[in-house]
Amino acid sequence: QVQLQESGPRLVKASETLSLTCSVSVGSGSSYYWSWIRQSPGKGLQWIGYIYYSGSTNSNPSLKSRVSISVDRSRNQFSLNLTSVTAADTAVYYCASGQYAFHIWGQGTLVTVSS
Amino acid sequence: EIVLTQAPATLSLSPGETATLSCTASQSVGSYLAWYQQKPGQAPRLLIYDVGNRATGIPARFIGTGSGTDFTLTINSLEPEDFAVYYCQQRSNWPPVFSFGPGTKVDL
Repeated sequence: QVQLQESGPRLVKASETLSLTCSVSVGSGSSYYWSWIRQSPGKGLQWIGYIYYSGSTNSNPSLKSRVSISVDRSRNQFSLNLTSVTAADTAVYYCASGQYAFHIWGQGTLVTVSS
Repeated sequence: EIVLTQAPATLSLSPGETATLSCTASQSVGSYLAWYQQKPGQAPRLLIYDVGNRATGIPARFIGTGSGTDFTLTINSLEPEDFAVYYCQQRSNWPPVFSFGPGTKVDL
């Protein structure tokens, strides 16, 4: 059973870059989409973007200009960078896997953007 | 971009009753429609994928149906642990873009 675990700074200053890593307990080279999803406090879920095992990526049009996702297969990790953050980017960030639905989720990590 | 809407926003029911949750897509999503359950402080849990397939370990009282743009999650004989927020989610075929509905809260 694949397990996912998010890690990274819990506090990021406004205008800086939010960087998170998701560690995958089983190899990240399988035919899955590896996604990032976030949830602002008290709000719903927002898909941020994915990276496919081949390295191709896509992201939410509303965040596209600020999002980059990469994979490090040697470490069984994939990462999220979100640039120029504001208070609106304060959220619980989840990594998740699945091709059409998200079968596996990390526990999530709360990232707060401070001014 | 496909937009999902969910109704109602809140559903107030008692244990033993049946919950009927609706998810409507702005355009056809084919069979790539999923449902999740989320409890406070927890990550979402996949209940249903590909419209009507239950995920591993999901009880038979959770039933997903629908096609095209209109989908339903039915929860028969609500158990106390079923009171939570439920989200629907779709993935467009190409390029792959995922989106979630705003959620339905099932409470007592």
